[in-house]
Amino acid sequence: GDSVTQMEGPVTLSEEAFLTINCTYTATGYPSLFWYVQYPGEGLQLLLKATKADDKGSNKGFEATYRKETTSFHLEKGSVQVSDSAVYFCALTRNTGGFKTIFGAGTRLFVKA
Amino acid sequence: DAGVIQSPRHEVTEMGQEVTLRCKPISGHNSLFWYRQTMMRGLELLIYFNNNVPIDDSGMPEDRFSAKMPNASFSTLKIQPSEPRDSAVYFCASSFGSDGYNEQFFGPGTRLTVL
Repeated sequence: GDSVTQMEGPVTLSEEAFLTINCTYTATGYPSLFWYVQYPGEGLQLLLKATKADDKGSNKGFEATYRKETTSFHLEKGSVQVSDSAVYFCALTRNTGGFKTIFGAGTRLFVKA
Repeated sequence: DAGVIQSPRHEVTEMGQEVTLRCKPISGHNSLFWYRQTMMRGLELLIYFNNNVPIDDSGMPEDRFSAKMPNASFSTLKIQPSEPRDSAVYFCASSFGSDGYNEQFFGPGTRLTVL
């Protein structure tokens, strides 16, 4: 079945460091890929998405490229801030005649000042 | 503009009691999702509705769980009887469209504790 695998956290970085959170997926067909972010005590919010191969999603300095050849959608940011501390979820959606969104386990990011 | 509204925000109950969680989706959205989040199992889709009709309830853990959407602006998730293993944060989310490729907007969640 469909699945999403993220790197385990927590990830701890100093402010202004480079961030990569790895995400790989397994799915038949052509899913859409998403990154959501969850701040403490809140629900998930969409960070960025890509709907077809080689698309790059970007928002708030974060970006991720849909790589069909490696079935990956790694999240990157060039310079993290303390305010980026949160849990990041990679997700895919595939239309199966209904549709289902599969979320990864989440990766917690701590950014130190 | 109000986002997805969930109530209550926190619920503490005793094993065997009935629990009802409520959700008001964003006006104009026609898809609604119920998720459960725990440390052990992560974020799990329980059920989703499109145009008030349940489309996929394969994630509902057992018959103790039921969900309804009587109209476009209201949904409930009921657990009867509740058990300690049902303790989790339950999220409701809504989106526009029926193909799943649009952004889902999440509510703040209901933290359920079953003693």
